[in-house]
Amino acid sequence: QVHLVESGGGVVQPGRSLRLSCAASGFTFSSYGMHWVRQAPGKGLEWVAVIWFDGSNEDYADSVKGRFTISRDNSKNTLYLQMNSLRAEDTAVYYCARDSQLGMLVYYFDYWGQGTLVTVSS
Amino acid sequence: QSALTQPASVSGSPGQSITISCTGTSSDVGGYNYVSWYQQHPGKAPKLMIYDVSDRPSGISDRFSGSKSGNTASLTISGLQAEDEADYYCSSYTSYKTHVIFGGGTKLTVL
Repeated sequence: QVHLVESGGGVVQPGRSLRLSCAASGFTFSSYGMHWVRQAPGKGLEWVAVIWFDGSNEDYADSVKGRFTISRDNSKNTLYLQMNSLRAEDTAVYYCARDSQLGMLVYYFDYWGQGTLVTVSS
Repeated sequence: QSALTQPASVSGSPGQSITISCTGTSSDVGGYNYVSWYQQHPGKAPKLMIYDVSDRPSGISDRFSGSKSGNTASLTISGLQAEDEADYYCSSYTSYKTHVIFGGGTKLTVL
């Protein structure tokens, strides 16, 4: 049974940093691309970042490019999101999500974590 | 790039059918058969309901169906049930560098 569990959210001041983690289990983590998707309070979904199954490539939404870094440790079945220079508009629930296709990216998200709330406020 | 356009809300009575539209452009919905739909109950994570315009993941009821015409995709839910009350988001691959774009979401109310 696939499980994704995010952690690391909290309240942080503007300009500071935070690192989110997503622990994966129940599937061969190293065979799937992984994404971060966020949802601001009362708002819709926004794709944030993706990392290839082997960590060889990554990509970002323009809104976070240069500030956020996605990474993974396939030996620990864990996905990360390093968030620097945080802004008020980064306040959201952050979900990690599995790409649905083995070994490639199709940008369908078939499993999601429960989400972790990041609040950027002074 | 703007989000895909969905109606803010739709409603229907139990047993009825409803359709939620999702309008994009030729750079996303109209250009690719890579449209998906997600269901989200309050306080919960989204759940994939439809992918590749009209395919259902294993375990998803056949009451949920998807289609596309031109730049507009649609999600139809037949035989409405109380548990279908949720927010629904469409998503599409896009030629824009973000690769994927979401709709603004539609709140379904089962009367």
